[in-house]
Formats: sequence, C-alpha cells, structure tokens
Amino acid sequence: TQLLEQSPQFLSIQEGENLTVYCNSSSVFSSLQWYRQEPGEGPVLLVTVVTGGEVKKLKRLTFQFGDARKDSSLHITAAQPGDTGLYLCAGSKSGGSNYKLTFGKGTLLTVNP
Amino acid sequence: KAGVTQTPRYLIKTRGQQVTLSCSPISGHRSVSWYQQTPGQGLQFLFEYFSETQRNKGNFPGRFSGRQFSNSRSEMNVSTLELGDSALYLCASSKGQEARYTFGSGTRLTVV
Repeated sequence: TQLLEQSPQFLSIQEGENLTVYCNSSSVFSSLQWYRQEPGEGPVLLVTVVTGGEVKKLKRLTFQFGDARKDSSLHITAAQPGDTGLYLCAGSKSGGSNYKLTFGKGTLLTVNP
Repeated sequence: KAGVTQTPRYLIKTRGQQVTLSCSPISGHRSVSWYQQTPGQGLQFLFEYFSETQRNKGNFPGRFSGRQFSNSRSEMNVSTLELGDSALYLCASSKGQEARYTFGSGTRLTVV
C-alpha cells in the first residue's frame, strides 16, 4: 500500500511553462519533505514543511502543506531545463513510526528548451 | 563538509551470493537510514540505526540486515541474493533528533 500518492507520474513541458505536482495521502504526517533526484544520484532535500497550511518559497518553487497535513503541492513557475529531474515527496510521522520517511513514487519532470 | 559516502558505487553479483554495502555518514550525524529504490516500488525504507541500535525496520525479509559501528558508519548485508534485489540502495544520515536527511549517491546493485 502506497501511503503517499504523487501525480502526475510523468510531466514533459516547454521551458517557461508553469507546473504543479501533487502529493496526497489518507494519513496525517508530522512533516512533509520534497526532494529532487537526478539520474545516478541520491535525492537532494528541497524543503521541509511542518505546519498545516504552511507555504514556503524557494526561488521559482512554491511548496504548500495542506491544512490537515495530509497533502502537499509543489508549484514551479517559468520552468527551466535545469529543473529536469525526479521530484519526490516524503512524509514522516511522530511517535512509534518515527525515524523513517515514507516516499511517494515520484514525478519525473522533463523541461524541454 | 564531506557528504554521505557510499561504497561501492556499482556492484554486480550472482544469484545466491551475498553482498555488503557501506555507508559513512556526515561527521556528527549519528543516525543512518537505508532505502531501496526500484522503478516499480520507488524508495522503500529498510532500517534505521542510531548509536549502534536499530530503531526502526521496514517490511523486508530477514535476508536484509544491517549494523552500525561506534563511529556511526553503517553496513547493510543482503544474503542469498535474488534477481529482484537489483536496485539502487541509498543511505541517508541525520543528527537523529529531526527528520532532516542527507542522502548519499547510492550503490547500484545488479543481480544476474
């Protein structure tokens, strides 16, 4: 059972377009993280959101955590070829299930010049 | 500041063999986690160690095991390899008290 569902699975767009990636769950997470992974490398942390309704901005990337802390979105404005990669959301819970991340399967983004 | 170092980067093994992968965390990080990444299942949690103690374990068979040494370096072992064990194995380290992880580049294991 995949606790975190990401959509879309694949996304191919032209440079300059905007896009949104979604991460949904039926479970509540104490925090949610977004990573970007490039071929042959490990995931690199982009942001951590911990408060329901929280919005964080990282240059052209905007991350939002749902009010109920069950879902999140990543919005990229004016995408560039350098944004190409696999975007992963990952949730962590407090209590007995702590010390691990539950990952979505990822969104593979290709930005064409 | 050195990142998380995983060795080897690539490995080819035959079915039935065993393999040991190594992970050196960032200096000062006492928590090491292991994940298996495959195209079909994505990243799945294997286990996490803190100060040489396993604190959490994922749903993998007993053929998958790990340990952590006093210097926080960690190893994972897979015995009696199966074709389905072919994957990218990722190690992540953190200070242990917060969910802020730094991943290594992984070990690509191919079982033939």
